[in-house]
Amino acid sequence: AQKITQTQPGMFVQEKEAVTLDCTYDTSDPSYGLFWYKQPSSGEMIFLIYQGSYDQQNATEGRYSLNFQKARKSANLVISASQLGDSAMYFCAMRGRSGNTPLVFGKGTRLSVIA
Amino acid sequence: NAGVTQTPKFRVLKTGQSMTLLCAQDMNHEYMYWYRQDPGMGLRLIHYSVGEGTTAKGEVPDGYNVSRLKKQNFLLGLESAAPSQTSVYFCASRGNRDRAYEQYFGPGTRLTVT
Repeated sequence: AQKITQTQPGMFVQEKEAVTLDCTYDTSDPSYGLFWYKQPSSGEMIFLIYQGSYDQQNATEGRYSLNFQKARKSANLVISASQLGDSAMYFCAMRGRSGNTPLVFGKGTRLSVIA
Repeated sequence: NAGVTQTPKFRVLKTGQSMTLLCAQDMNHEYMYWYRQDPGMGLRLIHYSVGEGTTAKGEVPDGYNVSRLKKQNFLLGLESAAPSQTSVYFCASRGNRDRAYEQYFGPGTRLTVT
């Protein structure tokens, strides 16, 4: 079974500062994928970034980067130069690459960006 | 492409009533999923499908049934609604070719059972 843990129910960050959202995971699959989604107050789920367990480099997408530490089973999301529009719920998720396993989500972290 | 669409967007039911939520995708995706989202609980998988004519149970399947008669549609049914099924329901789909890791979500259906 796969499990995602997000220990920060809420976070505050000053505009233009960087922020790290924590995510740890547990799985017995040798191959898996890690994801981050953003959910603004409007409710839609927005895909941000993906990291494969065998990828050599940490994934980056614009201001988002994923700090992947395989030995520690952590996949933290780093948002650089925070903007007011980054205020949202952020969900970490994972899926085993074998077969047709669905995404498993953490409980989320609410990020509030302060002007 | 419309992507993933969900019908209806909002619904209020009385306890014991039945309803069907429709999810449609126009990306020719093999995999489709139904999740529910409750405050503080993240998204939990209800049922999913790995292809036309197939369905499988997720983490919280009780009280729900699903059908995937056509590849592009995935139906979620509540036969006898209960207040505990008040939630926001998300459908998602995923392909098995390029960017197969990316799961596309619908806009959600907000269901209230009184």
